[in-house]
Amino acid sequence: GAGVSQSPSNKVTEKGKDVELRCDPISGHTALYWYRQRLGQGLEFLIYFQGNSAPDKSGLPSDRFSAERTGESVSTLTIQRTQQEDSAVYLCASSLKGQAWGHGYTFGSGTRLTVV
Amino acid sequence: ILNVEQSPQSLHVQEGDSTNFTCSFPSSNFYALHWYRWETAKSPEALFVMTLNGDEKKKGRISATLNTKEGYSYLYIKGSQPEDSATYLCAFSSGGSQGNLIFGKGTKLSVKP
Repeated sequence: GAGVSQSPSNKVTEKGKDVELRCDPISGHTALYWYRQRLGQGLEFLIYFQGNSAPDKSGLPSDRFSAERTGESVSTLTIQRTQQEDSAVYLCASSLKGQAWGHGYTFGSGTRLTVV
Repeated sequence: ILNVEQSPQSLHVQEGDSTNFTCSFPSSNFYALHWYRWETAKSPEALFVMTLNGDEKKKGRISATLNTKEGYSYLYIKGSQPEDSATYLCAFSSGGSQGNLIFGKGTKLSVKP
């Protein structure tokens, strides 16, 4: 697609429910990143995909968080048994080859998750 | 732990004022420094990528400089306009096997007409 697309744009969920966030990167971008921004905080790295493998998932905050990617295409971030501290804007970004080659990110417009 | 610090946290200026803000980052294992602009309800938008000590980049009224030896970058906005209101993020990368950018918390700029 022309840009990075994320869905849903907003999600309100009850504590304890599972949620799934979707990211559709720019066609041909091999690198895909998930970040989140909680209120008053900076952008927090969650996970990085190169193709469909995840060489760095060090930022996933707990085992309730998981992510997968199909080929060099769509990625889903799943949060199980959501907690209020999971409330944040979840941003996805893709990059042609990855920042290690000097390429910056193209971001999606994010999913605002609110856990009530 | 790699840390990227931005200051000030927020800034209020009048239309027409020029302003600047700072990003400091680790000076060791430096590969690149990125600046992004993030308007409310939109996607962060890439402004500059800088890799060499002494780099200066310019895009319209916005420019940035880079000092990798001391670990800082400045972003300058000349003659601020209300449409410049946004959060400006800087991000550091050490390249190599490190896959992700490390972001600062941003400087939130508000420009009053």
